[in-house]
Amino acid sequence: GENVEQHPSTLSVQEGDSAVIKCTYSDSASNYFPWYKQELGKRPQLIIDIRSNVGEKKDQRIAVTLNKTAKHFSLHITETQPEDSAVYFCAASISGGVGGGSQGNLIFGKGTKLSVKP
Amino acid sequence: DAGITQSPRHKVTETGTPVTLRCHQTENHRYMYWYRQDPGHGLRLIHYSYGVKDTDKGEVSDGYSVSRSKTEDFLLTLESATSSQTSVYFCAITIGVGVTGELFFGEGSRLTVL
Repeated sequence: GENVEQHPSTLSVQEGDSAVIKCTYSDSASNYFPWYKQELGKRPQLIIDIRSNVGEKKDQRIAVTLNKTAKHFSLHITETQPEDSAVYFCAASISGGVGGGSQGNLIFGKGTKLSVKP
Repeated sequence: DAGITQSPRHKVTETGTPVTLRCHQTENHRYMYWYRQDPGHGLRLIHYSYGVKDTDKGEVSDGYSVSRSKTEDFLLTLESATSSQTSVYFCAITIGVGVTGELFFGEGSRLTVL
């Protein structure tokens, strides 16, 4: 089955700097890659996603890149702010797979705790 | 909040007792999921459902069972709770249609097994 590795497990940056979180996946059939942000004591929330027919996607200060050949994808946050401090999870799935609706059964990485220091 | 609620939100129980967590949704979503979240392990899929009475196992299903007798309710049961099942449990649904579907999580249920 799919396996998702996420690095680093913790990341500390100064406000205004960029942050990059990287994930690798094992199943070449995976074609849907979302990123979730979880603030302390809250539910995980989708912040951006990318599908395998796209190499990069941006949404304001957040971008995700995908390299299907190398089977890795990354989250880039520019001009970080204290409110970006949270745990970020990457995930991968086979869209349309059995039981999974449009995004399949998501397999998550173990998370990255991002701390943005003022 | 996509009309999804979990109950109870917090529960403390003893080893060997049965526990049932409930996920309730009000918007007729077809797909529902149970995940557990543990430090250092991220989110791991326990069971999922793709319709009434249609369920299947996820990554970490041992020790858990589920039922979905109505579209709106997805129940997670620990027949005999163990300390290793101390965790935060998240229910989730798929919202949206086609290729734009998003996994939306409930607020979580914190279970402590003593």
